[in-house]
Amino acid sequence: GENVEQHPSTLSVQEGDSAVIKCTYSDSASNYFPWYKQELGKRPQLIIDIRSNVGEKKDQRIAVTLNKTAKHFSLHITETQPEDSAVYFCAASIPGNTGKLIFGQGTTLQVKP
Amino acid sequence: SAVISQKPSRDICQRGTSLTIQCQVDSQVTMMFWYRQQPGQSLTLIATANQGSEATYESGFVIDKFPISRPNLTFSTLTVSNMSPEDSSIYLCSATGGAYGYTFGSGTRLTVV
Repeated sequence: GENVEQHPSTLSVQEGDSAVIKCTYSDSASNYFPWYKQELGKRPQLIIDIRSNVGEKKDQRIAVTLNKTAKHFSLHITETQPEDSAVYFCAASIPGNTGKLIFGQGTTLQVKP
Repeated sequence: SAVISQKPSRDICQRGTSLTIQCQVDSQVTMMFWYRQQPGQSLTLIATANQGSEATYESGFVIDKFPISRPNLTFSTLTVSNMSPEDSSIYLCSATGGAYGYTFGSGTRLTVV
């Protein structure tokens, strides 16, 4: 079945620097790849997503890139701010129009002021 | 995207008892799911809540332990039965209108003592 690997597990950057989180997936039929941000004690919030017919998507300081050939996708955060500190999860859709997602292990991002 | 209300937000339960968690969506959604998030871990899909029929469970989860109901398109319940300390987790419901735009409920933090 589908498997999603996420790296790194922890990431510490200085405020203003960029942060990159990478995920790989196993099933080439996956076609939807969302990213979630989860602050301590809160629900996961969708921050950006990408579909398999698109290579890159941007939303202000956040961007996601997808390489279907290599089966990996990445989250890029530029000009990081302390409020970006959270746990970030990538996910991939399970093929078959099930609506189901499988999540990566999560990355704890710390942005130091 | 849909707004999801989930209750209770937290509970402390005695082992051997059961807890029913409710999930209410503010609009009709095609798919509803239940996830478990163990402390410091990622999200694991428990089951798909099917409207008017039995839920579809993922590997490792069974109906006797996690009975699920979905009587209509906006409401679902998850029961954690015969609880043990290993069931201590955050339980999250999620919903999508079919375009993979997942929204999560606020979660139920369960502690079993």
